[in-house]
Amino acid sequence: GIQVEQSPPDLILQEGANSTLRCNFSDSVNNLQWFHQNPWGQLINLFYIPSGTKQNGRLSATTVATERYSLLYISSSQTTDSGVYFCAVVNRDDKIIFGKGTRLHILP
Amino acid sequence: GAVVSQHPSWVICKSGTSVKIECRSLDFQATTMFWYRQFPKQSLMLMATSNEGSKATYEQGVEKDKFLINHASLTLSTLTVTSAHPEDSSFYICSAPAQLPWGEQYFGPGTRLTVT
Repeated sequence: GIQVEQSPPDLILQEGANSTLRCNFSDSVNNLQWFHQNPWGQLINLFYIPSGTKQNGRLSATTVATERYSLLYISSSQTTDSGVYFCAVVNRDDKIIFGKGTRLHILP
Repeated sequence: GAVVSQHPSWVICKSGTSVKIECRSLDFQATTMFWYRQFPKQSLMLMATSNEGSKATYEQGVEKDKFLINHASLTLSTLTVTSAHPEDSSFYICSAPAQLPWGEQYFGPGTRLTVT
């Protein structure tokens, strides 16, 4: 089945720094989303981005479907950005597959 | 954006008992909903696809007789963990797409189940 790999697995940054999170997938996908899971477990939708580039405030994302990867950019990090960031894809069988996530720690 | 709720937020039960978890789409209709399980410090694993008016589709390795799914209406799906064991303790999350077939998924806040 399709493999979804996220990197890096862990990232520690100082407040104010910028970061790039990557999601590689091994086959074509029908859909790709980025989520932030907060400390209480709630998954927050960040981007629905099967292709192209989107921006929302300090966050932006780019998916290059032909090259099978997506990037999530976080600029001017804040402590509230801490948590786990997941990439999830919908494969050809309409199954939702999550990556293992990137655990981000923003230090004050 | 669309809102999905779950109830209860957390539940503690004794081994051998059954627990029902509800997932509701509050401001949209969802003919399909999804159930996931997440163990500590791990990713989400899809358990099953809940279909309104028909049987649920279970992922490989998920016992359908243990995890009973009922999609009673266009806004409600329930997951019942039957004869719960301590190894069933986990974080259970549901989601629903705003549009089919590949619309943006909206997730419930999750239910933390502890079996003693």
